[in-house]
Amino acid sequence: NAGVTQTPKFQVLKTGQSMTLQCAQDMNHEYMSWYRQDPGMGLRLIHYSVGAGITDQGEVPNGYNVSRSTTEDFPLRLLSAAPSQTSVYFCASSSLGGGLNTEAFFGQGTRLTVV
Amino acid sequence: DAKTTQPPSMDCAEGRAANLPCNHSTISGNEYVYWYRQIHSQGPQYIIHGLKNNETNEMASLIITEDRKSSTLILPHATLRDTAVYYCIVRPLNYGQNFVFGPGTRLSVLP
Repeated sequence: NAGVTQTPKFQVLKTGQSMTLQCAQDMNHEYMSWYRQDPGMGLRLIHYSVGAGITDQGEVPNGYNVSRSTTEDFPLRLLSAAPSQTSVYFCASSSLGGGLNTEAFFGQGTRLTVV
Repeated sequence: DAKTTQPPSMDCAEGRAANLPCNHSTISGNEYVYWYRQIHSQGPQYIIHGLKNNETNEMASLIITEDRKSSTLILPHATLRDTAVYYCIVRPLNYGQNFVFGPGTRLSVLP
């Protein structure tokens, strides 16, 4: 059981380049989300999804797109990278179920540098 | 979502209990208290959560005051590997599942 897998672990982009950060989970979780964490700061929510075909914006969505075509995958796209998007990106998933087992599981992060 | 207040940093001697406080005076009746920790730059790790009763698992204990306006996470025998940033989060157990992370408490376990 791999949990939440993020790829790549490290990436350097030039300003204006585009790329997709991948996130996959094998726990059949309905809910998936993307956060960014800047140095010395807490995590901030970028986008989230409560199921395939459903996405919504979080606190800091500008400059990022997401889609959810399957339950397992939730990619994050940077359309035109900017230095302000230099950060560590975390993907998380959790169950929406009516029980109490709704803790979020996080991936190990993607460290992105935009130069 | 209710906001939380945590001390920015704490120290604890190895082998002693670490007691991490959290204030959440505006918590609503349907909001749970969650604790996560982040070791170095890894992804946050779930520790424990509760509504109003005290909870205990293999990692920690969670003590919630009767008025639910504050809570304490207890690591009974802290080790060097418990050095991390600890986040206290309150949120409802419902559709959406968003977590709002504050700056947390940086716990340093000292040898």
